[in-house]
Amino acid sequence: AQSVTQLDSQVPVFEEAPVELRCNYSSSVSVYLFWYVQYPNQGLQLLLKYLSGSTLVKGINGFEAEFNKSQTSFHLRKPSVHISDTAEYFCAVSDPQGAQKLVFGQGTRLTINP
Amino acid sequence: DSGVTQTPKHLITATGQRVTLRCSPRSGDLSVYWYQQSLDQGLQFLIHYYNGEERAKGNILERFSAQQFPDLHSELNLSSLELGDSALYFCASSPVPRGTEAFFGQGTRLTVV
Repeated sequence: AQSVTQLDSQVPVFEEAPVELRCNYSSSVSVYLFWYVQYPNQGLQLLLKYLSGSTLVKGINGFEAEFNKSQTSFHLRKPSVHISDTAEYFCAVSDPQGAQKLVFGQGTRLTINP
Repeated sequence: DSGVTQTPKHLITATGQRVTLRCSPRSGDLSVYWYQQSLDQGLQFLIHYYNGEERAKGNILERFSAQQFPDLHSELNLSSLELGDSALYFCASSPVPRGTEAFFGQGTRLTVV
């Protein structure tokens, strides 16, 4: 079975500071990895995804993530955050060959302070 | 706007009742997924349909059922509702059966009183 652990439930940062949201996964097979963002009272929006190839993945809104197979991690980073980045961020994993579902972490609430 | 439409946006109902949540996938997407988001369980996969056929089942209660119609819209039926069923229910769609990307709707917030 696959599982995802988001190591921080809340991350407060100041505007224009860098941020890293941590995600570790557990899987006995190869994986697809995703980061989704949920703004208040909205659905989930895909930020970026890793399917194969380059381990550094760039997404929307200036976010990027690095797939580290040896550490089973997929941490999300942004060099300079804005107030508008305040949201809940979810890391998710799926099995490319198996059941067609996303397994989500518990989410990290990113709060940007002016 | 993801292109996935869910109705209604909000639903308040009493325990023991039955409700139907509706999802229209993005144009051309054959896969529909249902997820439940609650404070205690987080985001949980419920069920996946591809082109009208059930493909995968997750932590879906027996009181819940779903189907995908020939026009590809999907409905999630929740019956004998309990207080603990209060949650945000998301539908997502993707163009292929093995999803490399899922597009989520805005969700239906169900409150059971």
